[in-house]
Amino acid sequence: AQKITQTQPGMFVQEKEAVTLDCTYDTSDPSYGLFWYKQPSSGEMIFLIYQGSYDQQNATEGRYSLNFQKARKSANLVISASQLGDSAMYFCAMREGWTGNQFYFGTGTSLTVIP
Amino acid sequence: KAGVTQTPRYLIKTRGQQVTLSCSPISGHRSVSWYQQTPGQGLQFLFEYFSETQRNKGNFPGRFSGRQFSNSRSEMNVSTLELGDSALYLCASSLGRTGYNEQFFGPGTRLTVL
Repeated sequence: AQKITQTQPGMFVQEKEAVTLDCTYDTSDPSYGLFWYKQPSSGEMIFLIYQGSYDQQNATEGRYSLNFQKARKSANLVISASQLGDSAMYFCAMREGWTGNQFYFGTGTSLTVIP
Repeated sequence: KAGVTQTPRYLIKTRGQQVTLSCSPISGHRSVSWYQQTPGQGLQFLFEYFSETQRNKGNFPGRFSGRQFSNSRSEMNVSTLELGDSALYLCASSLGRTGYNEQFFGPGTRLTVL
């Protein structure tokens, strides 16, 4: 089974609107971390937000928030007030355990912000 | 604070050759991970080094190897290059004390195998 599933290959959003990028994960480890990264066309991966499996509150970083639903094993990224510069690929990733485990990445969602 | 640097940024090799890629992590970071990114396979984990020891390894053949030096700089080597090795190779560094430290990625090395 895929560790990380992103079912939206491409998304469009109007500038200044909010958008939700879906991510579901699969693990039996009670300790894990969930990450979202942005990859612009330049290629560099940019960290956006992190959620730990034991965190009680949903993570927020500026315009980014993570809608963490543990029972459903979903970790959707919400981008509020979209900007043209948000157009990029977005990757959801997970790391299981405490140390020494690899990151698993999803296949990514291509987000296009329309003026 | 300087970010993660990778050299070279672009590389063209022919089948059968070998290649060495370099990654300098952020100062103070002890963990370096390597990833291969291709349009078909997406982002795949190669290996992670922490304090000069390989801490974890992905599912790649033995042609892919790496090492980390005492200053945390890391190199990745691919021997007997194949056409399918053409990819963007990303290096990421983190403090590494736990599995949940944020990873900072470098700009990548784009390898083309002809």
